Amino acid sequence: NAGVTQTPKFRVLKTGQSMTLLCAQDMNHEYMYWYRQDPGMGLRLIHYSVGEGTTAKGEVPDGYNVSRLKKQNFLLGLESAAPSQTSVYFCASRRDPSTAAFFGQGTRLTVV
Amino acid sequence: AQSVSQHNHHVILSEAASLELGCNYSYGGTVNLFWYVQYPGQHLQLLLKYFSGDPLVKGIKGFEAEFIKSKFSFNLRKPSVQWSDTAEYFCAVNALNYGQNFVFGPGTRLSVLP
Repeated sequence: NAGVTQTPKFRVLKTGQSMTLLCAQDMNHEYMYWYRQDPGMGLRLIHYSVGEGTTAKGEVPDGYNVSRLKKQNFLLGLESAAPSQTSVYFCASRRDPSTAAFFGQGTRLTVV
Repeated sequence: AQSVSQHNHHVILSEAASLELGCNYSYGGTVNLFWYVQYPGQHLQLLLKYFSGDPLVKGIKGFEAEFIKSKFSFNLRKPSVQWSDTAEYFCAVNALNYGQNFVFGPGTRLSVLP
């Protein structure tokens, strides 16, 4: 089983460029999440979705947008990348709040 | 602000030593609690979870955690650590009265010396 798949795995952007990170899950999960992981700060929630067509802001949503047009996909967009967005991004999904989440392998993004 | 805190940033132990990592949260009401582990260069994996029932839960690889509701705590323990337990450990909380988000603590890095 693929589980949660993130693409790309690595990316280098120049300041001001845009990009989209894709998260795909094949477990028919309703809930999906985007986190960023920075040294000493753990995982911080950027945005999340509780079902197809829904999105909500997490702790650090500024500078990011998301879309959940299909249940299996959760897209994270950076419209104008900044060096402060250099981080490792993790996607997670779960069936409902009473179950554990499954994580993707992460995307290492560097903004220069 | 509602939050999840972990007591230690970095813990260094020798093999066979006992481990306890602290986790506290500030959410009221019903909570689902989790411990995840992240081995170097890998993604997060679930160690154990608590939803209801017996407050002492057992997870994989000999780990266990105890939920103490009065202390808003969910500490992780292992009687005897191994070098292979070297990793970063994250406590996470899903507070059902505060929406469907899923909040992590800052993590504790565990280094086990052979």
